Amino acid sequence: AQSVAQPEDQVNVAEGNPLTVKCTYSVSGNPYLFWYVQYPNRGLQFLLKYITGDNLVKGSYGFEAEFNKSQTSFHLKKPSALVSDSALYFCAVSPRDKGGYNKLIFGAGTRLAVHP
Amino acid sequence: EAGVTQFPSHSVIEKGQTVTLRCDPISGHDNLYWYRRVMGKEIKFLLHFVKESKQDESGMPNNRFLAERTGGTYSTLKVQPAELEDSGVYFCASSPIVVNTEAFFGQGTRLTVV
Repeated sequence: AQSVAQPEDQVNVAEGNPLTVKCTYSVSGNPYLFWYVQYPNRGLQFLLKYITGDNLVKGSYGFEAEFNKSQTSFHLKKPSALVSDSALYFCAVSPRDKGGYNKLIFGAGTRLAVHP
Repeated sequence: EAGVTQFPSHSVIEKGQTVTLRCDPISGHDNLYWYRRVMGKEIKFLLHFVKESKQDESGMPNNRFLAERTGGTYSTLKVQPAELEDSGVYFCASSPIVVNTEAFFGQGTRLTVV
């Protein structure tokens, strides 16, 4: 069965420190990879995606993610965390098909708490 | 440009009642998706419309759920009759039919069945 794993329910980091939110996936082929963020009382906001090319993808708000094909991972990173980054982060993958994107398969989410 | 809009934002209903959720996608987006997140778990795919046609409804839990997209614009998701396990946050997303384009999500409808 196709699945996405976010092994940490919560990640705590001090403001100014680097952060990593982990994601691994089990999906056949070469899926598209995404990160979305949900702030309190808001919808899911797109952060970044990997389609092809450079394994390091840069996205919104200073976030980046590194694709590792051999480990089937797509970890989200930021060099210096802000308190305003505190939110719920979802990793998602989409199996490739001839029509482009298909449905998204999500992880359970990781709550990021950045402390002053 | 307006984003994906969902109505209502919250709904509390009794078991056995009917609830209809609405999603207005971004104008011009032919793809429309419904997802659901049950408390603390992963967001799960329910179904996918391309214009007014159901492309994939493999995630619909059972026949108590009915989704429509008349005219290929807004979509409704009806739950009839609602059960306790239907509680969760229902998200709608839309995207254009363009390769390599991400989906845009609404703020979700929080459904509580008591």
